[in-house]
Amino acid sequence: AQSVTQLGSHVSVSEGALVLLRCNYSSSVPPYLFWYVQYPNQGLQLLLKYTSAATLVKGINGFEAEFKKSETSFHLTKPSAHMSDAAEYFCAVILKSSGDKLTFGTGTRLAVRP
Amino acid sequence: KAGVTQTPRYLIKTRGQQVTLSCSPISGHRSVSWYQQTPGQGLQFLFEYFSETQRNKGNFPGRFSGRQFSNSRSEMNVSTLELGDSALYLCASSLTGGRDTGELFFGEGSRLTVL
Repeated sequence: AQSVTQLGSHVSVSEGALVLLRCNYSSSVPPYLFWYVQYPNQGLQLLLKYTSAATLVKGINGFEAEFKKSETSFHLTKPSAHMSDAAEYFCAVILKSSGDKLTFGTGTRLAVRP
Repeated sequence: KAGVTQTPRYLIKTRGQQVTLSCSPISGHRSVSWYQQTPGQGLQFLFEYFSETQRNKGNFPGRFSGRQFSNSRSEMNVSTLELGDSALYLCASSLTGGRDTGELFFGEGSRLTVL
């Protein structure tokens, strides 16, 4: 079954530090992968998506993610954290073969320390 | 272009009651999906409607139902409310249901509290 696993429900970084949020998927067929962000009291917003084109995907707000088939990973990174990045981040997957619904990971809450 | 609008934003109900939540998608979007978000279970898919037909359904009991109208607006209903139904209910719209792009546009949610 398709699924995504996000390692670390809470991540804390200092302002200006590297942000690394981890996501691994379980699928023998490369899926479509996404990162969404949820700010407090808001809905989710798409950050970036991988749909089998370039393996390094750039998104909004300076975030990027790299699809690594050998590691079944799609980690989210940002070189320098900003206070406004504090939010919850969700990795999500769709399997091309199933045409199924978007399935989300459990989320990682990012805190940014001044 | 207006975003996805969900009403009401907050509501409080008691056990045994029923509730109806409404979602107006982005103009031109024909797919509406519903998700339940709770601290313990995260984001759980409820169902998806496309052109007034339920196209996909999650693993929720029959107390959870939905429908879509000809203008693509959608409603979801929960009958015989239980304490565990307390959650943020998120609606998301897209052109095709996200099967090709996975890009869903979310509303701000309806926060339901069951007492």
